[in-house]
Amino acid sequence: GAVVSQHPSRVICKSGTSVKIECRSLDFQATTMFWYRQFPKQSLMLMATSNEGSKATYEQGVEKDKFLINHASLTLSTLTVTSAHPEDSSFYICSARGFRQGTNTGELFFGEGSRLTVL
Amino acid sequence: RKEVEQDPGPFNVPEGATVAFNCTYSNSASQSFFWYRQDCRKEPKLLMSVYSSGNEDGRFTAQLNRASQYISLLIRDSKLSDSATYLCVVTSNFNKFYFGSGTKLNVKP
Repeated sequence: GAVVSQHPSRVICKSGTSVKIECRSLDFQATTMFWYRQFPKQSLMLMATSNEGSKATYEQGVEKDKFLINHASLTLSTLTVTSAHPEDSSFYICSARGFRQGTNTGELFFGEGSRLTVL
Repeated sequence: RKEVEQDPGPFNVPEGATVAFNCTYSNSASQSFFWYRQDCRKEPKLLMSVYSSGNEDGRFTAQLNRASQYISLLIRDSKLSDSATYLCVVTSNFNKFYFGSGTKLNVKP
């Protein structure tokens, strides 16, 4: 079945630095991937939709210059948090639509998430 | 109005109890519905898709009511390991997925 891998799982950085998070679809091609962030005890919040070969679509209130998304291939999307600040500390999760083995019903598969702590 | 709404809970139930969650959605054009489970500090994982005719997977039963625009999840014979947050997910075209805020379930010994 479809698998999505996300890296790194945990990152601690200094304020002002940039952090890149990778999201890979391991055994399927994902023309569209989604990036979410989740604060403690809150629900997933969609940040942007990443489209292979074109610009990402950002949700209202999400700064595209701060959260750079690149989807250069059918299996890789990256999210770069630029000039990170402590308020950017969060759990970032990617997902892609795939198909469970033996079914023809699409579902969202999630990466393992990346916990960012900005000091 | 939010696209998808859920009671955040928490639902605190004893082992062996039956518990049910509802989730309402606002877009009548929604086509596909899912229940995901999210454990603390982990990514969501698919629990089950929700089919028009309703479907069952072991102790879990999902139902869809298009007229009233809600889906439900019933858990029978609750186990301690069922403790998690249950997310309702709705999509109309698989280009955008809408998440509920999640319902927290605590199953106690």
